[in-house]
Amino acid sequence: SQKIEQNSEALNIQEGKTATLTCNYTNYSPAYLQWYRQDPGRGPVFLLLIRENEKEKRKERLKVTFDTTLKQSLFHITASQPADSATYLCALMNTGGFKTIFGAGTRLFVKA
Amino acid sequence: GAVVSQHPSRVICKSGTSVKIECRSLDFQATTMFWYRQFPKKSLMLMATSNEGSKATYEQGVEKDKFLINHASLTLSTLTVTSAHPEDSSFYICSARVHRGSGRAGYNEQFFGPGTRLTVL
Repeated sequence: SQKIEQNSEALNIQEGKTATLTCNYTNYSPAYLQWYRQDPGRGPVFLLLIRENEKEKRKERLKVTFDTTLKQSLFHITASQPADSATYLCALMNTGGFKTIFGAGTRLFVKA
Repeated sequence: GAVVSQHPSRVICKSGTSVKIECRSLDFQATTMFWYRQFPKKSLMLMATSNEGSKATYEQGVEKDKFLINHASLTLSTLTVTSAHPEDSSFYICSARVHRGSGRAGYNEQFFGPGTRLTVL
């Protein structure tokens, strides 16, 4: 069955460092991969989308890589800040976006 | 742009009652909306796809008579939890799909509502 794995353990890093979160998937060939941020008790907020034919995408301090051979995406936050503390969800979409599968998310804590 | 609202944000009800949750796209029209359920520290679980003017498509294992979905307009979808029981307590989130770009460069983006915390006593 289709499966997305994100590190269930929380990631604790020091302010100013780069946070790297991993998303691995199996039994799926997504057309797009998305990353969302979710704060406690709130709905997810879209951050970045990367297509299957793209290797890397950047947006301000965020960078996403997508390796369809390894079936893995890495999500980087450079110069991290305490305000970046949240849960980050990886999501896979098929062509047309008719079905999106979400990972359980990784909790990030950035210490001042 | 692309703001999705949900109402109410929190609801507490007695077992056996029905609860309606509204999902609205505030500044755009959404022909397709999705309803998700999320348990603590778990991933979003898609419950159903709501299509304007037609019946919702439910995921396997989701009781359509239990979770009634109505998408009567291009900006409003409602989820009614009928005869709610404590096991229905959860965080319910809706999203609306927006198409960006065109042709091969086009893609679909989802915008989520803030969620509704349902507690059934």
